[in-house]
Amino acid sequence: SQELEQSPQSLIVQEGKNLTINCTSSKTLYGLYWYKQKYGEGLIFLMMLQKGGEEKSHEKITAKLDEKKQQSSLHITASQPSHAGIYLCGADKEQNGGADGLTFGKGTHLIIQP
Amino acid sequence: DSGVTQTPKHLITATGQRVTLRCSPRSGDLSVYWYQQSLDQGLQFLIQYYNGEERAKGNILERFSAQQFPDLHSELNLSSLELGDSALYFCASSGGTSTVEKLFFGSGTQLSVL
Repeated sequence: SQELEQSPQSLIVQEGKNLTINCTSSKTLYGLYWYKQKYGEGLIFLMMLQKGGEEKSHEKITAKLDEKKQQSSLHITASQPSHAGIYLCGADKEQNGGADGLTFGKGTHLIIQP
Repeated sequence: DSGVTQTPKHLITATGQRVTLRCSPRSGDLSVYWYQQSLDQGLQFLIQYYNGEERAKGNILERFSAQQFPDLHSELNLSSLELGDSALYFCASSGGTSTVEKLFFGSGTQLSVL
């Protein structure tokens, strides 16, 4: 079965600094989703990447998909306290979506130090 | 607010007991997904329903069952509870069977089995 490994598991960053979170899949990536979870709350959709080389941005968060490496990275520029939380990557198990639910990584816990 | 409602928010019970978790999907969404989140396993897909019918099964134990009602709300039943069942249970909804569409997550039910 497909596994997603996220690194690092946790990250403490000083406010204003840049950071990168990685998500590596054990199998071909057909669709890669990034979600953010605030402690004790549900997951909020950030971005979805589908094609190799695709890059998307939302405010100060940029995500890229490297299809050959079966990897995605999430980059936050000039981090703010509001960026703190758990970042999870999720992937489709099949090409063209499929109905089998998303597989998720275990998440990266991000703490922003003022 | 994702539009997905989960009740109760917290549940404390004893081993051997049975509990029911409830989920109301976003208005118009036909698919409901159940996920279990724990520290060691991360976010695990349990089961998906589409318009009242079971569509896909993940790592769901035989002690667990779910259903989706004609009004599209869903219930997850957990029986013969064990300490290891303590986790955060999420419900998510989407508009179709394919997970290419982003999932909308509820805020979860925190289950504590004592």
